[in-house]
Amino acid sequence: GAGVSQSPSNKVTEKGKDVELRCDPISGHTALYWYRQSLGQGLEFLIYFQGNSAPDKSGLPSDRFSAERTGGSVSTLTIQRTQQEDSAVYLCASSLAIGFNYGYTFGSGTRLTVV
Amino acid sequence: AQKVTQAQTEISVVEKEDVTLDCVYETRDTTYYLFWYKQPPSGELVFLIRRNSFDEQNEISGRYSWNFQKSTSSFNFTITASQVVDSAVYFCALTADKLIFGTGTRLQVFP
Repeated sequence: GAGVSQSPSNKVTEKGKDVELRCDPISGHTALYWYRQSLGQGLEFLIYFQGNSAPDKSGLPSDRFSAERTGGSVSTLTIQRTQQEDSAVYLCASSLAIGFNYGYTFGSGTRLTVV
Repeated sequence: AQKVTQAQTEISVVEKEDVTLDCVYETRDTTYYLFWYKQPPSGELVFLIRRNSFDEQNEISGRYSWNFQKSTSSFNFTITASQVVDSAVYFCALTADKLIFGTGTRLQVFP
């Protein structure tokens, strides 16, 4: 597609429920990143995928968070047993490949509210 | 460790004033890139500039200019003759394999 697409744009869930957030990267982009932005805060790296390589999960805050990328394209970020501190905007980005010389394109984000 | 520091949390100016947003970074890599992104109230991150570690030339794009100084590990961003539409949160970022963001500076430009 023309840009990075994320769905849903907004999600309200009850504490303790599981949620799935979806990211559809730009066609042909092999690298995909997830970031989290809490209210008034900067962007916190969560995880990235590059092609068929093992993902870098070093930013995932707890084992309740997981992500997968099927077929090297669409990615799903799953948060199990959601907590109120999980409330944030979850941003996805893609780039042609991993590396500092490739620009990132960000999606509009999913605003998650845990009540 | 890699780190980006934006010490200014919030800046308010009146239209037509010049404003400089500071960015200081830490990295042990000799090759890296620095970025500035703008996040308007709509929430989407807008790419402004990318600069590699070997190019210390200052850059100007319209009312925007960037001053990269390796000696002080700084990559500052200046908006000349600010406008209300410049109101946004601005993020500085550093990358090797992934982008590391600063905490952002919220710029408010009043008419």
